[in-house]
Amino acid sequence: KNQVEQSPQSLIILEGKNCTLQCNYTVSPFSNLRWYKQDTGRGPVSLTIMTFSENTKSNGRYTATLDADTKQSSLHITASQLSDSASYICVVSDRGSTLGRLYFGRGTQLTVWP
Amino acid sequence: EADIYQTPRYLVIGTGKKITLECSQTMGHDKMYWYQQDPGMELHLIHYSYGVNSTEKGDLSSESTVSRIRTEHFPLTLESARPSHTSQYLCASSDQGAPGQGSDEQFFGPGTRLTVL
Repeated sequence: KNQVEQSPQSLIILEGKNCTLQCNYTVSPFSNLRWYKQDTGRGPVSLTIMTFSENTKSNGRYTATLDADTKQSSLHITASQLSDSASYICVVSDRGSTLGRLYFGRGTQLTVWP
Repeated sequence: EADIYQTPRYLVIGTGKKITLECSQTMGHDKMYWYQQDPGMELHLIHYSYGVNSTEKGDLSSESTVSRIRTEHFPLTLESARPSHTSQYLCASSDQGAPGQGSDEQFFGPGTRLTVL
């Protein structure tokens, strides 16, 4: 069964600190993995996309890693800001259908305190 | 500016009412999607469309219906709303992409928070 599991479910950190969010998946065949940021009451916005051959990709203070062998990804946030408070969703796409099916994790709810 | 819009943003209605959630995108995307999301849970695909006159049911069974008469417009209708329909509804769109090559990035609207009393 194709699944995406994220941990931790929620996380509270102080402003300026770093944190790492985890994503494990069982989706096959694998096409790509995206990390989305979803602010409360808003739609998700893509932060990074990683394909099978990519190990690391950065977008400002966000750095995503991918280990396609172990089917694990992480999102590292450096020097957190209050505006980083949001849900971070790991989304994996398969390569087996015309639609390009997406599998969503439940997200990690990050709260940054001043 | 290319974007994807949803209206209304919030809707509170009584049981039995008919409602239509609007979704429009100005990016010229062929594919459009409707997702349902409950707090702390993953997004569930309820409808999608490959293009004009194409509509398909998603993974999560839904009593809603959709139509795709124009490329930019993908409304979702509930004929008779019930409290079990209370949820957040997210619309998204993406480029057509190459068949079997996995999805291109989906761009999401801000969502409609529906509450049925």
